[in-house]
Amino acid sequence: SYEVTQPPSVSVSPGQTATITCSGDALPQQYVYWYQQKPGQAPVLVIYKDSERPSGIPERFSGSSSGTMVTLTISGVQAEDEADYYCHSADSSGIYVVFGGGTKLTVL
Amino acid sequence: QVQLVESGGGVVQPGRSLRLSCAASGFTLRTYGMHWVRQAPGKGLEWVAVIWYDGRKTYYVDPVTGRFTISRDISKNTVYLQMNSLRADDTAVYYCARSQDDYSNYGPFDIWGQGTMVTVSS
Repeated sequence: SYEVTQPPSVSVSPGQTATITCSGDALPQQYVYWYQQKPGQAPVLVIYKDSERPSGIPERFSGSSSGTMVTLTISGVQAEDEADYYCHSADSSGIYVVFGGGTKLTVL
Repeated sequence: QVQLVESGGGVVQPGRSLRLSCAASGFTLRTYGMHWVRQAPGKGLEWVAVIWYDGRKTYYVDPVTGRFTISRDISKNTVYLQMNSLRADDTAVYYCARSQDDYSNYGPFDIWGQGTMVTVSS
């Protein structure tokens, strides 16, 4: 079955830039969506269609894509950004949804 | 207010069945694809199933195919997940989620429920 891959963890100091990647063979054909999840809470959409930001999401969250890799960038990381981040996409048929394994962002 | 509220979780023995409900409010299921996503304790998100906005198609992740069934009742504006032959590895928080765009079956999930816990144990 199709998989997308994320690094398990990323650590940055406050004010620095965090980058979280998501890679998969079908990503050139399928959009990627990013969610933030804090302990005990449901996921929250922070980026859609690779780089679009929903209303209410801070401008420090951005996304980009290049070939088989999509990147979530958090500029000027704040303590409140510490969370798990998941990418979401689909296989080449567009029918079967897949999530990445998640990346734990630690703010040092 | 647009929201989803899940219910029906609990503790169940292996091999038994359970039905989860997801009550939608503030929008109609007639025009949105709906999904179930689960999260085992301490683990990541796993997509489980989708029902298309027109109700004509359903799809499942391989581990639940043949055991789980997603359905909906438009009159109650509720989505269901019937889970049969439950196994220990089905233990998870189960979320329902809405596809963001109306008349879309996929795309980003913009509304999520609070989740309902299912524990499969003897």
